[in-house]
Amino acid sequence: EPEVTQTPSHQVTQMGQEVILRCVPISNHLYFYWYRQILGQKVEFLVSFYNNEISEKSEIFDDQFSVERPDGSNFTLKIRSTKLEDSAMYFCASKVRGGQETQYFGPGTRLLVL
Amino acid sequence: RKEVEQDPGPFNVPEGATVAFNCTYSNSASQSFFWYRQDCRKEPKLLMSVYSSGNEDGRFTAQLNRASQYISLLIRDSKLSDSATYLCVVNMNSNSGYALNFGKGTSLLVTP
Repeated sequence: EPEVTQTPSHQVTQMGQEVILRCVPISNHLYFYWYRQILGQKVEFLVSFYNNEISEKSEIFDDQFSVERPDGSNFTLKIRSTKLEDSAMYFCASKVRGGQETQYFGPGTRLLVL
Repeated sequence: RKEVEQDPGPFNVPEGATVAFNCTYSNSASQSFFWYRQDCRKEPKLLMSVYSSGNEDGRFTAQLNRASQYISLLIRDSKLSDSATYLCVVNMNSNSGYALNFGKGTSLLVTP
């Protein structure tokens, strides 16, 4: 069964450093998402991406964040200058089309900012 | 972003018990509704979509009441493997982004 993959599984970085989290969505999917989950808190939407552009973003997704689909398979989330409060699990998700289609989540990248 | 509210639990039930979770959502424009399951330190996984007519999948039954903005999940004959956090999830279909809005989850522990 096809699945969303994410790399790395864990990342430790120093405050102020840039990080890039990588995702490979399911191959025939057209909608891509990033969510985050701070330890002990709910899953929060960051950004959605369709047709090579951001279709929606939350208030969390400020100028420090950017997304890119550099090729036909990868979908990346960049945090330009990490803060302590960026420490969280970051989940990538994808779905085949709009509407009520299921979003499939990757296993997540656990980011720890020191 | 409007909220999705759930009782955090934990719900501790013996194997074989029936347990029900409830959820309310505040945005009446919400279009799609789901229950996801999340195991500790894992990604959310879709358990079932929730339809207005109610739907059942094996031991799991989901109900939606749009007038009351209320969603429920019933688990019958609980198994040890049902122990997890159950996330109530709502999709607003806003801006064509179809972002999911998650509740904080209800924790279930099924004991022998």
